Amino acid sequence: DGGITQSPKYLFRKEGQNVTLSCEQNLNHDAMYWYRQDPGQGLRLIYYSQIVNDFQKGDIAEGYSVSREKKESFPLTVTSAQKNPTAFYLCASIPGGHVGELFFGEGSRLTVL
Amino acid sequence: GQNIDQPTEMTATEGAIVQINCTYQTSGFNGLFWYQQHAGEAPTFLSYNVLDGLEEKGRFSSFLSRSKGYSYLLLKELQMKDSASYLCAVRDGDYKLSFGAGTTVTVRA
Repeated sequence: DGGITQSPKYLFRKEGQNVTLSCEQNLNHDAMYWYRQDPGQGLRLIYYSQIVNDFQKGDIAEGYSVSREKKESFPLTVTSAQKNPTAFYLCASIPGGHVGELFFGEGSRLTVL
Repeated sequence: GQNIDQPTEMTATEGAIVQINCTYQTSGFNGLFWYQQHAGEAPTFLSYNVLDGLEEKGRFSSFLSRSKGYSYLLLKELQMKDSASYLCAVRDGDYKLSFGAGTTVTVRA
């Protein structure tokens, strides 16, 4: 079945460590997005990519990095520079052009100990 | 940047109708989305509007007015399972897709 796979689902990290969250889609979608969600709050955009080898900063990019070397993959690295990284991270993708439905992965929950 | 506003909370009775408003200001427009999210889960797609007017899908309807920067989500015949957070999201001219803070709907028996 087609969809978006995020891994790991749960991750624990010590302060000062970098961690990479995986996002893979087999929907042949052009655009991919990373969001962060804190308890009781909405989704905030970290980074997004419309095509391979190109990406743009969202509203809260500081302390994060991404790459888009392949159409199906958009990994997110949470660096030690991110001061409060404990959150629920959601990856999403959408076909190019004016078509609906943004597809979400199941999310990755990161906890910094 | 984008500015997307929606009410924080709404409460309604089972069987009733609730309307969740969303206003937005963006540079360009490439579609508006409504999502439902239960606590601890990924959002679930409800509707997508890119042209003005009403889109109906079962108990849920969504309306868009691009000139007014306004949308609403209408939930009819409310059920207890509709208690959730409802998220409005807008894609701007650069295809940046941002979400509002979400509206928590509580359905009472």
